[in-house]
Amino acid sequence: DVKVTQSSRYLVKRTGEKVFLECVQDMDHENMFWYRQDPGLGLRLIYFSYDVKMKEKGDIPEGYSVSREKKERFSLILESASTNQTSMYLCASRFPESSYNEQFFGPGTRLTVL
Amino acid sequence: AQSVTQLDSQVPVFEEAPVELRCNYSSSVSVYLFWYVQYPNQGLQLLLKYLSGSTLVKGINGFEAEFNKSQTSFHLRKPSVHISDTAEYFCAVQVGAGFQKLVFGTGTRLLVSP
Repeated sequence: DVKVTQSSRYLVKRTGEKVFLECVQDMDHENMFWYRQDPGLGLRLIYFSYDVKMKEKGDIPEGYSVSREKKERFSLILESASTNQTSMYLCASRFPESSYNEQFFGPGTRLTVL
Repeated sequence: AQSVTQLDSQVPVFEEAPVELRCNYSSSVSVYLFWYVQYPNQGLQLLLKYLSGSTLVKGINGFEAEFNKSQTSFHLRKPSVHISDTAEYFCAVQVGAGFQKLVFGTGTRLLVSP
């Protein structure tokens, strides 16, 4: 089974702090994704990565950056956390060889910015 | 831009009753359609997907969905729900083959009571 793990289930940070959210997948997937989930808005794509050292902006990249130095690890960075970044963050990965393949999700990190 | 509409934000239902969760999408070209489920405090898990062929798709846990191209819909159904089906359900669409991102609906919370 594919396993996608996220470094923290719950995280509390203060405004202005630099925040790192880590995601690791164990199935050698090329594609990885970061979403945020907010009530009434569903999942919105922040950034995605085709492969190592490659990244593309999603629909709401402002205030975020990402890093993909190794294939299995995709990090989301909040350079200076703000209260409007309080949300649930979900990481996903996908094996791209099948063009209509599913994404596998981690359990999520619930981030609160005070 | 593609969009996915889940018409009901919340659907309350009694145990053993049938349920339908509605999903409509905006694309007129070929699409791949997915339903994901999110149980409390967990990540998303794939329920079923439509790629091509038969318009009736069967998934896990007794769920099924019907693809209707003329109505651009992909409604999810279950003939008899259980308490354990209480969760949030997300419809998602991928337009075309190859690397394409998923566009998610806003989610429907299914509340099953005894």
